[in-house]
This record gives sequence, C-alpha cells and structure tokens, in this order.
Amino acid sequence: EAGVTQFPSHSVIEKGQTVTLRCDPISGHDNLYWYRRVMGKEIKFLLHFVKESKQDESGMPNNRFLAERTGGTYSTLKVQPAELEDSGVYFCASSQAPRGGGKNIQYFGAGTRLSVL
Amino acid sequence: AQKVTQAQTEISVVEKEDVTLDCVYETRDTTYYLFWYKQPPSGELVFLIRRNSFDEQNEISGRYSWNFQKSTSSFNFTITASQVVDSAVYFCALSEAMKTSYDKVIFGPGTSLSVIP
Repeated sequence: EAGVTQFPSHSVIEKGQTVTLRCDPISGHDNLYWYRRVMGKEIKFLLHFVKESKQDESGMPNNRFLAERTGGTYSTLKVQPAELEDSGVYFCASSQAPRGGGKNIQYFGAGTRLSVL
Repeated sequence: AQKVTQAQTEISVVEKEDVTLDCVYETRDTTYYLFWYKQPPSGELVFLIRRNSFDEQNEISGRYSWNFQKSTSSFNFTITASQVVDSAVYFCALSEAMKTSYDKVIFGPGTSLSVIP
C-alpha cells in the first residue's frame, strides 16, 4: 500500500512567485492534514480536511496560503505570493476516519522543502 | 495550553550503547494521546508509537521501549543497543482527545540522534 506522497520534494522560487504543493493521502483516508516546519522552529499544524471540507484551518498563517481538496482525494497548498519567511518543510499527513470513536494515527509524507529566495 | 518539550537537542552515542530520549508534555486535558515519530535522513516522519493517557504500561518493541509516567508528565523513549540506522531526528508529540476525533498533533522540537559506528 502506498504511503502519503508529496510533490515536489524540493521547490526553489523567488520572493513574489507562486508555488503549489501537492499531497496524495493514503487511499481511503478521509482526514488530510498540512503541517510545516520553518527554520529553527517546531513542526506546526496548518489545517485539516475531512474529505473535501476544511475541518480546522486555525494554523494557516495568512491569506497568502490557500489549501484545497477538491473531490476529497489529493490536496494542494498554494502560496501566493511567496515570502522569504515561508521557507521551510511542508508536511502532509492522513488518517482514517475512526470507527467507534477514538483517534486514528496520522501518517506523514516525506515533506516538500520550500526555499524562497 | 498544550506543549511538548524535548530538552535534548542533539545526542551522539557510539554504536551498541543504550540511549534515552526525554519528552515532557503539558496539557490541561485528562484524556490525550502521546506519540513518537522518527525522521530519518530521507525526510519522512515515521510513526513509532501512540499511547493513550489512560494506559501507563510501559511498552517494548524490539530494541525500542517507552516509559510513560503521568506523575511527571513524561514519555521517554529508550533505544537499546543502538545501531547506525537509528540515526535520525526523533519527535515526541501530543494530541488532545476530547475535542474532535481528528485533532491536530502538537510536536516537540525534536532530538537529533547520531549513532557513531
């Protein structure tokens, strides 16, 4: 079974440009999360989809970030326009919908390393 | 507020030594989950263990063992007879179970472990 896949693995762009990151969750996982780790800081939650709906987007830093999950399958995270402080590693995770309550484990991808110059 | 502290930023050990990675957490909830993830050089976050706050039994999986102590809010991770392949960044993490069933994960800053041959 394929794990969470993210594309690209590394993106280098100039300040002011637009970048779109993609995440393909594990097949059958309704929950999809975005996290990021900027230089020297901890891995921070950005947002959470349940199928195609945004369940929690409290971690999105500002309106330059737009996440979508059309059809409830893969998700994209667009940064427009990118700023220097957006550099970091962006992780995607997915989990199953719990049956009978309780949490399911979030499985993470390898991340996309974004460098804004 | 939730918080995870990993006081050890970097640890170096010689192969076959035992090593313990410390994790201290803060939460106001009585029901929560604790996790350990491993990030090898390839970049992905690999799930290692999840522990429910009501289950204080220590767990052993091969060379890995975890010591959960609610009295000290700690969830330490020990690798016995370390190997070079154990070299990675290890993250301790927390999520609260009383909110939605799909809550965000709060990560510690990570401990970088280097096992020297």
